[in-house]
Amino acid sequence: GAVVSQHPSRVICKSGTSVKIECRSLDFQATTMFWYRQFPKKSLMLMATSNEGSKATYEQGVEKDKFLINHASLTLSTLTVTSAHPEDSSFYICSARAIAGSDTQYFGPGTRLTVL
Amino acid sequence: QKEVEQNSGPLSVPEGAIASLNCTYSDRGSQSFFWYRQYSGKSPELIMFIYSNGDKEDGRFTAQLNKASQYVSLLIRDSQPSDSATYLCAVNWDAGGTSYGKLTFGQGTILTVHP
Repeated sequence: GAVVSQHPSRVICKSGTSVKIECRSLDFQATTMFWYRQFPKKSLMLMATSNEGSKATYEQGVEKDKFLINHASLTLSTLTVTSAHPEDSSFYICSARAIAGSDTQYFGPGTRLTVL
Repeated sequence: QKEVEQNSGPLSVPEGAIASLNCTYSDRGSQSFFWYRQYSGKSPELIMFIYSNGDKEDGRFTAQLNKASQYVSLLIRDSQPSDSATYLCAVNWDAGGTSYGKLTFGQGTILTVHP
């Protein structure tokens, strides 16, 4: 149980294009999903908290107009990196909280974004 | 600033030994504590969580929590080469409250188990 998928697993794009990453909870409903990014040999940095049916809450320093988050259903959240640049290249990982009131987060497999 | 601190390592132990991973946190209001394992190039996977003071055992893993000392640890018994990974400690500051279960992660400890 508590399986989270992400698509795509790897994407290479040209500078200036937009990239959409999907995060799905496969066997449970997730009222809250989280988006992280991780640079090589660094820990996870929370970008935003996504609640179904409401606007995402972004962490300080994260540009909400650049990283668009949509959580349209209880099983799907999307992160769109708009006008991507090489410095946006990173490992993007989503997680989902399985049950409201529970703190346990289950992580998706991650998406490695490379912007040329 | 709420902080979670881990020794980055690397921690090297021989196969079959006990690996001890430590984590301290700055806020006494912390509610719940998690250990994740992350293999290189992969996303974190949950090992176990602990909410109450004391020990919690799951197979070869034991989590230990001491809220008075603001300290949580993970012991891995009979360490195997396949346990070689980065171990992330994560702390939730507001269980079920307005934080929606946000976690703050430590920088991770690299564990190497050598045959």
